[in-house]
Order: sequence, then structure tokens, then C-alpha cells
Amino acid sequence: DAMVIQNPRYQVTQFGKPVTLSCSQTLNHNVMYWYQQKSSQAPKLLFHYYDKDFNNEADTPDNFQSRRPNTSFCFLDIRSPGLGDAAMYLCATSRASQGGGQPQHFGDGTRLSIL
Amino acid sequence: GQNIDQPTEMTATEGAIVQINCTYQTSGFNGLFWYQQHAGEAPTFLSYNVLDGLEEKGRFSSFLSRSKGYSYLLLKELQMKDSASYLCAVNRGGTYKYIFGTGTRLKVLA
Repeated sequence: DAMVIQNPRYQVTQFGKPVTLSCSQTLNHNVMYWYQQKSSQAPKLLFHYYDKDFNNEADTPDNFQSRRPNTSFCFLDIRSPGLGDAAMYLCATSRASQGGGQPQHFGDGTRLSIL
Repeated sequence: GQNIDQPTEMTATEGAIVQINCTYQTSGFNGLFWYQQHAGEAPTFLSYNVLDGLEEKGRFSSFLSRSKGYSYLLLKELQMKDSASYLCAVNRGGTYKYIFGTGTRLKVLA
């Protein structure tokens, strides 16, 4: 089945040690998103790509970077994770359409823990 | 500003009907989406409205009034597996951005 795949499902890293989360999709969607979600909170958009066009949210910390080498793959790099960065990280895709919003398709998420 | 409001928690009984409300204020509107999220899992798409009125999909229906900035998700014949968080999200017009509410945690009791 076409889907959005995130690896790993669980990631543990040390305070200050860089970590990379990955996302791949077989839906061939133009738009890819990274969200941070903490317990009982709304998913918070960090950034999104329309094809290779990168869009950063104003309040996304500089500590968070992203790469999209091709349509299928997108990476989230956290350069120096702090304790406050422990969260579920969700990757999502959507098809670009001028006619109206399109539903987002989410991966299973990566739960990041910081020691 | 951008704001989406949903009740924090609701409780209902198996077999009953429950309505989860969502009000929104966003700059631009290009559709309202409902997602279901079980604890520790990713959101899954349930329903979508871009025009006023009711959309029905099996046990789930969603209603939209754009003039009132209001939507609801109606769940019929509740089952235990419907215990989850229900997220309301708005696609801002002219962008590919979606703003999410904090979700409504629904508990279905036997």
C-alpha cells in the first residue's frame, strides 16, 4: 500500500547529541510536513516543503533543520537536542491542489526521548 | 490571529451518538478536516468539509458553517474502539498550512 513511513518509531538520544529522523512516502505528494506533538497538545508545524521549496515557521527553533533530497524522502535534523525537544515527531504529506485543501497523510511518528 | 477551539474531553456510552464541536478563527479558509488519533499513534483522516453542510461517511458525519466558523463531527453507534482524540484542523487559504486544534479526548464507556 502507498504510505508514509517514518524511521525509527522510537529514538533515544543524549542531551546535545545530534539526531536525524527520517520520513519516506510512496504517495508522490508534492507537499511534506514535519510536526512536533507533545502530550495532549495539538501538532505544531515546524516546516513544510512544496517540492523543494522550503517553508520554515517563524517560531521553529534554529536547532531544527530539514532536508528533502527528492520527492520521496524528507529528514528532520535536531542539531543539539534539549530536554524540551522530547516529543512525538510526525511527518505528513498532502497533494498540492489549487482547488481546495487536501487531507494530510501521516506517518506513524517517531517518539524522541532525550537522556 | 489563528485559533481553533474544541472541548478537551467528552464521555459517551457504547451505542450512543456524540457530537464534537469545533470553532475556528483563521486568516483564510480552504477546508476543515477531522482526524482521529489513538494514544501514541499518528492521526488518521476521517472527514473533510469545504462547503457549508453535512458530509456523511458511514458512522461519521461532519458539518460546516463557514459564516459561523463552526464545525462538528458526529459519531453514531459508538464503539469502544472509538475512544481516541479527535482533532479539528483548518487549511488556510492560499497556503499548504494546516492549523490544528488541541483535540477532544473521547472516552466510550461500556
